Amino acid sequence: KNEVEQSPQNLTAQEGEFITINCSYSVGISALHWLQQHPGGGIVSLFMLSSGKKKHGRLIATINIQEKHSSLHITASHPRDSAVYICAVRPYGGSQGNLIFGKGTKLSVKP
Amino acid sequence: DGGITQSPKYLFRKEGQNVTLSCEQNLNHDAMYWYRQDPGQGLRLIYYSQIVNDFQKGDIAEGYSVSREKKESFPLTVTSAQKNPTAFYLCASSMRIQRYEQYFGPGTRLTVT
Repeated sequence: KNEVEQSPQNLTAQEGEFITINCSYSVGISALHWLQQHPGGGIVSLFMLSSGKKKHGRLIATINIQEKHSSLHITASHPRDSAVYICAVRPYGGSQGNLIFGKGTKLSVKP
Repeated sequence: DGGITQSPKYLFRKEGQNVTLSCEQNLNHDAMYWYRQDPGQGLRLIYYSQIVNDFQKGDIAEGYSVSREKKESFPLTVTSAQKNPTAFYLCASSMRIQRYEQYFGPGTRLTVT
């Protein structure tokens, strides 16, 4: 069983739609990261959170520590949001360098 | 501009050859990391370094080696002992080893034939 599960694996949306990507994890964590990987391969860190909610522009990330679940929301989606979104967690007690990564959600936003 | 650079973007090698991937950062970060990405899988940690002249194995260190002689540089050597070296390799850095965001480089796609 993967320690970090993302859903859906693939998502196609029309421009303007509200999008939700989910991340569930099975270990105790000290932080959760949302990352964006563009088609060229480069990765950008979107959020790092350990509780509650963070917002940056049209992106909102929430986390429920008790339920071991996080969501990434995109409001008013745009074709430039097309990318792979990756959830990663930092487990308690793990080796200091280690994040555990989900396999990613591939988002395609059609104009 | 501050950031992480990896070179080259694409690299081709023959089986049995060692190859070194470059990673440089000018963010003044202490910690640096190397990840491997394969299709359909999450990123996996190869090696990480908390500080100059120190580095630790990650989950899949076999067949790889690193050095950290300078704060700015963390090169990764893919040796001929690595059974499946063809992959996308990402370098990252963070201010310290824990509780900090990681900043990623653009990646190097290595193909070994």
